[in-house]
Parts: sequence; C-alpha cells; structure tokens
Amino acid sequence: EAGVTQFPSHSVIEKGQTVTLRCDPISGHDNLYWYRRVMGKEIKFLLHFVKESKQDESGMPNNRFLAERTGGTYSTLKVQPAELEDSGVYFCASSQVISSEAFFGQGTRLTVV
Amino acid sequence: GDSVTQMEGPVTLSEEAFLTINCTYTATGYPSLFWYVQYPGEGLQLLLKATKADDKGSNKGFEATYRKETTSFHLEKGSVQVSDSAVYFCALRYNTDKLIFGTGTRLQVFP
Repeated sequence: EAGVTQFPSHSVIEKGQTVTLRCDPISGHDNLYWYRRVMGKEIKFLLHFVKESKQDESGMPNNRFLAERTGGTYSTLKVQPAELEDSGVYFCASSQVISSEAFFGQGTRLTVV
Repeated sequence: GDSVTQMEGPVTLSEEAFLTINCTYTATGYPSLFWYVQYPGEGLQLLLKATKADDKGSNKGFEATYRKETTSFHLEKGSVQVSDSAVYFCALRYNTDKLIFGTGTRLQVFP
C-alpha cells in the first residue's frame, strides 16, 4: 500500500510568487495534517483536516497560507505571495482515526529566494 | 504552553558506541511521548512511543522511558551502527491533539 506522498519534493521560487504543495494521504485515512520545519528549528503544526473539514487551523501563520482538501482526499497548501521566511520543509501526515499513529510523507523542501 | 526541548546536535559517534539523546518536556497534562526518526531522503517515521509514566518504549535496539518526575524521555541505544545516522525528533501529544516536536538532533555515526 502506498504511503503518504508529497509533491513536489523540492521547490525554489522567488519572493512574491505563488507555490502550491500537494499531499496524497494513505487511502482511507480521514485525518490529514500539515506541519512545517523552518531553518532547522522544531517541526510546527499548521493544520488538521478531518475528511474535507478543517478541524484545527491554529498553526497557520497568516492569511498568505491557504489549505484545501476538496472531496476529503488529497490536500493542497498554497502560499501566496511567498516570503523569504516561508522557506523550510513542509510535511504532511495522515492517520486513520484521530488518536492513531500518524504516517508522514517525505516532505517538500521550499526555498524562497 | 507545552513544549519539547532536545539536546543540540550534531551528535557524532563511532560505530558500537553508546547513544543518549536527551529530551525534556513541559506539559500541563499527561501526554503521550514519541521519538520520530528521519533518515536521509526519507520522511519521518515513528521510532517508539510511551503513553504513560514509567512506560518504556523500544524498537530497533532503541529505548526511552517516560519519566514524569524529571519530565524526560531520553533516547538510548547500547551500540549504534552507521545505518542509525539520521535526525531524531522527540515529540508529545495529547490523545486527540496535534504533535508538538522538539528541534531535532542529528546523529552521525562513523565506522
């Protein structure tokens, strides 16, 4: 069975541009999470979907970030416009039920220049 | 708020050396504690976990004990291998909540 898949693996964009990250969770996993690790610091929670609904978006840094999960399958995280401080590794994770183990993708390394 | 503090890396060891990576936490309640590992080019993988005080999590020769009195969850391995080279993250989580991670500790093992 396929694991959590993230696209692209790397992205380099200029400040002010838009980037969209994609996450395909494990099939059947209703819970989908986005996390971010900036500049070698701690991995921080961004938001949590249950199916297509946002359960918790308390970690979203500002309104330049928009996450969607239409149809409760894959999710996208759009950054518009990107700023230098958005550089980092964005991780996606999914779990079958809310209290079970979360499985992580490989991450998308975003570099804003 | 709740937080996790890990020792700074990198930790550099020779093969077969003993490993300790320190992790302490601050929590208002009684969370579960986790160690995740990220091998080069791969995603985060759950290494081990403990759900209550005095529980010991273990996997692949690694161990960590949930110490409520010292609010610690130190990761140990008796004899490291080159293949253990990775970044290790300590984390906590309440039942239905998000994971709270530490900054990660890079381990480099040389033959």
